[in-house]
Amino acid sequence: QVQLQQWGAGLLKPSETLSLTCAVYGGSFSGYYWSWIRQPPGKGLEWIGEINHSGSTNYNPSLKSRVNVSVDTSKNQFSLKLSAVTAADTAAYYCARGENQRVLKNYYYYIMDVWGQGTTVTVSS
Amino acid sequence: SSELTQDPAVSVALGQTVRITCQGDSLRYYYASWYQQKPRQAPVLVIYDKNNRPSGIPDRFSGSSSGNTASLTIAGAQAEDEADYYCNSRDSSGNHPHVIFGGGTKVTVL
Repeated sequence: QVQLQQWGAGLLKPSETLSLTCAVYGGSFSGYYWSWIRQPPGKGLEWIGEINHSGSTNYNPSLKSRVNVSVDTSKNQFSLKLSAVTAADTAAYYCARGENQRVLKNYYYYIMDVWGQGTTVTVSS
Repeated sequence: SSELTQDPAVSVALGQTVRITCQGDSLRYYYASWYQQKPRQAPVLVIYDKNNRPSGIPDRFSGSSSGNTASLTIAGAQAEDEADYYCNSRDSSGNHPHVIFGGGTKVTVL
């Protein structure tokens, strides 16, 4: 059974860089997208970005200028860096495994079926 | 960029049926996935593909879709179904694929 375990600093000052890592246990690293998602207090889910095993990335256009997602396949880990944080970046951050499947000629589904436990990140001076 | 639109909140009497909808252009070529999130917990996948449930999800949860609208139905809602529900898909229509979530629907079981 695949499990994701994440860690990183929970308290940052404005302008610092958020850094989180997610380790994948018990399953293959290839063939999936590995995502970061966040959720500000009392608000909905926001996708931040993803990476696959070969290092190909996609980012949320609204965060792209500040985000970097990287992968270390030797450790089955992937990481998030978000630069120049402000109070608006205060949120619970989750890592998740994504799978994209074609089910019909022009129809697909995309799922995030395994999630990390979440890390609360607070940005405050 | 593509968006997914959900009603913010809905209520249902214990044991009754409730349907949550999600609209967006990406749903014309992606089946929506649905996630349940309870307070201070990570989201849990409850429905995906045309109408599939992961292991352990009760069969009172079902999904359907038509055009650009997907629906999640809870038949015979239980107290433990009170949660936030999010739809999700991928948007691969442009040069930069990305993942999108609906704004979430808060389900209250009365």
